[in-house]
Amino acid sequence: GNSVTQMEGPVTLSEEAFLTINCTYTATGYPSLFWYVQYPGEGLQLLLKATKADDKGSNKGFEATYRKETTSFHLEKGSVQVSDSAVYFCALRGADSSYKLIFGSGTRLLVRP
Amino acid sequence: GAVVSQHPSWVICKSGTSVKIECRSLDFQATTMFWYRQFPKQSLMLMATSNEGSKATYEQGVEKDKFLINHASLTLSTLTVTSAHPEDSSFYICSAPSGGHGYTFGSGTRLTVV
Repeated sequence: GNSVTQMEGPVTLSEEAFLTINCTYTATGYPSLFWYVQYPGEGLQLLLKATKADDKGSNKGFEATYRKETTSFHLEKGSVQVSDSAVYFCALRGADSSYKLIFGSGTRLLVRP
Repeated sequence: GAVVSQHPSWVICKSGTSVKIECRSLDFQATTMFWYRQFPKQSLMLMATSNEGSKATYEQGVEKDKFLINHASLTLSTLTVTSAHPEDSSFYICSAPSGGHGYTFGSGTRLTVV
């Protein structure tokens, strides 16, 4: 079945550091890929998405490229801020018609001033 | 944009009682609703998929008699935790597809069973 694997956290960075959170997936066909963010005490928010191979999703300085050849969708940001501290979830929606969204385990990011 | 209103945001109940959680789509019709649970510092685990006017589809390992799901209208889906026990304490979240590969999430319900 479909699954998502993302790097374990927590990831601790200093402000303005470069961020990479790895995400790989297993799925048949061409799934859609998402990154969601959960700030402390809040609900899930869509950060970015990509629906086909080689698409790049971007939002708020974050980027992720849908790599079919490596089945990856790594999240990157060139310069993190303290306000980026949150839990980041990689997610996949399969190519079938079920619309099910399958989440990775989440990666906690802590950015220090 | 699309909004899913989830209530209550938190609830404390005694062991053996039942708790109902509601999710309403406010400005769109949600023919499908996904129900997740999230343990502290863990990911969201899909419990079941409800479709308006038909029986819910449960994921493997989820007890359908304990987690009753009803999706009687295009704007309301409910999850009832029956005969709740402390191990059912968790954060429950609903989500509906909202067009353009997007999903709208409820704000979640924190259930504590004492």
